[in-house]
Amino acid sequence: DTGVSQDPRHKITKRGQNVTFRCDPISEHNRLYWYRQTLGQGPEFLTYFQNEAQLEKSRLLSDRFSAERPKGSFSTLEIQRTEQGDSAMYLCASSSGLAGYSSYNEQFFGPGTRLTVL
Amino acid sequence: GNSVTQMEGPVTLSEEAFLTINCTYTATGYPSLFWYVQYPGEGLQLLLKATKADDKGSNKGFEATYRKETTSFHLEKGSVQVSDSAVYFCALDTGKLIFGQGTTLQVKP
Repeated sequence: DTGVSQDPRHKITKRGQNVTFRCDPISEHNRLYWYRQTLGQGPEFLTYFQNEAQLEKSRLLSDRFSAERPKGSFSTLEIQRTEQGDSAMYLCASSSGLAGYSSYNEQFFGPGTRLTVL
Repeated sequence: GNSVTQMEGPVTLSEEAFLTINCTYTATGYPSLFWYVQYPGEGLQLLLKATKADDKGSNKGFEATYRKETTSFHLEKGSVQVSDSAVYFCALDTGKLIFGQGTTLQVKP
């Protein structure tokens, strides 16, 4: 399977704990995106990378959230001191694209990581 | 700012009925427009797209036309099947995707 993969698929944690999610994009894709989807809503953009550079962050991404893509391949999204409001599906997507050039390149989505904060 | 508004669901239809899911958008410039579908237990999949005004995207019997004058991108299908039951998301691309809230479609045999 050469699609986008995410790990874990489900995570249950207690309020105040830290969690980390991993995303492995399609291998030739240089752009990687993180979105958050709450129940009954569409996905909301969090951040995206062009290779290893984090080019944009949403204001939804509070100081407790940090994302990395150290070698321009896989990415991690960490949430520190989780709150119940962080409970959501965290989606990763990847696409090919040129830095600084806004053009359409299809984003391929992974299955998501469902986070439940108790 | 950029935004997408979809008709609220759920939409319940009988098999072979005609489907319309309305989508309107607000955007600066001329973004590409998309419909994504999420089948039960699966990830988001691109259903169809249109990259400029008057383009018609089509796939699997679904169609949507990019209408700049009405800022709309309504999804249509002439005859739905039970297997079309899913959540449908309208989205626009500004370098990142901005999604509507989703419309659940349930097709009954």
